[in-house]
Amino acid sequence: DAGVTQSPTHLIKTRGQQVTLRCSPKSGHDTVSWYQQALGQGPQFIFQYYEEEERQRGNFPDRFSGHQFPNYSSELNVNALLLGDSALYLCASSLFGWDRVDNEQFFGPGTRLTVL
Amino acid sequence: AQSVTQLDSHVSVSEGTPVLLRCNYSSSYSPSLFWYVQHPNKGLQLLLKYTSAATLVKGINGFEAEFKKSETSFHLTKPSAHMSDAAEYFCVVSNQAGTALIFGKGTTLSVSS
Repeated sequence: DAGVTQSPTHLIKTRGQQVTLRCSPKSGHDTVSWYQQALGQGPQFIFQYYEEEERQRGNFPDRFSGHQFPNYSSELNVNALLLGDSALYLCASSLFGWDRVDNEQFFGPGTRLTVL
Repeated sequence: AQSVTQLDSHVSVSEGTPVLLRCNYSSSYSPSLFWYVQHPNKGLQLLLKYTSAATLVKGINGFEAEFKKSETSFHLTKPSAHMSDAAEYFCVVSNQAGTALIFGKGTTLSVSS
């Protein structure tokens, strides 16, 4: 089992551009969540996808959008990039209802986005 | 709103000595609490999880944490530090809907020989 995989590993963009990050969940998982981790900070929740719908959203502007495909993989899109969007973007997968005792979120290694 | 506060941004210990990483939480409901570890260039890994069962939770690699409701604390401990424990540690609380994790700012653990 490859676990949660993310691509690309690193990405450099300029202000105003658009970016798409990709995530493949751990085998058997149906729920994908995205987090942004700025340098020296803890991750912040962006949104969660289940059954191809956004189920919950954190405090992020509409420039951040996502998608989940029938095979449960997911994309994170960021439009009109700002310098402040530079961060490590983490994907986490789980079974829906991960807060149960017998469930947990598994994190991928992340995509490092640099906006110049 | 729920939140976590990690009381130390950096903790330094010698190999073989005890580790204590402190965390206080704030929540209007009975939360689920977690500790995650992040090694450089690796994904976040769950160390342990509290979900209203036993207040003393044992995790991987010899770590454990005690949930103290009266003190709103969830401190992480290990009896004897190993060099491989050097990493960033995050105390985490779930939101009320159980759909998102809310992370503290992290504590960097350094272990010297």
